[in-house]
Amino acid sequence: DQQVKQNSPSLSVQEGRISILNCDYTNSMFDYFLWYKKYPAEGPTFLISISSIKDKNEDGRFTVFLNKSAKHLSLHIVPSQPGDSAVYFCAASVGGSEKLVFGKGTKLTVNP
Amino acid sequence: NAGVTQTPKFQVLKTGQSMTLQCAQDMNHEYMSWYRQDPGMGLRLIHYSVGAGITDQGEVPNGYNVSRSTTEDFPLRLLSAAPSQTSVYFCASRDSGWDEKLFFGSGTQLSVL
Repeated sequence: DQQVKQNSPSLSVQEGRISILNCDYTNSMFDYFLWYKKYPAEGPTFLISISSIKDKNEDGRFTVFLNKSAKHLSLHIVPSQPGDSAVYFCAASVGGSEKLVFGKGTKLTVNP
Repeated sequence: NAGVTQTPKFQVLKTGQSMTLQCAQDMNHEYMSWYRQDPGMGLRLIHYSVGAGITDQGEVPNGYNVSRSTTEDFPLRLLSAAPSQTSVYFCASRDSGWDEKLFFGSGTQLSVL
């Protein structure tokens, strides 16, 4: 049973516009959420995180929103750039746990 | 600062062969783990370690063995390779704080024929 779901396998946006990537989870024990970005032939790299005591976290062009009641989080990228084209993974854990649970990923393509 | 180093980058095995994927980190992280990534499956946890001498199973541990004799190294052993183990393997490490993030290596592409 998939505990972290990314229901959109792909997303295409124009350069300069907003990219919104979505993630749903089923395990109410999750209290720490992360987004990773992955380029082909490279390992995932950390992008941004949020703990369950917050509902928003910003880092430059990247903002993550958490809606605990809906068990939903989203990653906003504004403005989107061609270099943002990558696969984005949502991940969740029970805080302090070594066991990160990943979604299947969403491939973002930003068109010039 | 090298971070997390994995070797080899590519490997082809025949069914039944054994091999060890190497992973080393130079960040003095206590936590280390192995994930596999299959098409359309995301990353799944194989084994993890919370410190030297301590290992535990993740979501998909069958067919794999690990040990952690030092803080720096966390090798993954395939005991008898099967085609179902064809995948990309990622090693990762993190510090022991509550909200520490994982740092990943660049991966090993393994094909089992």
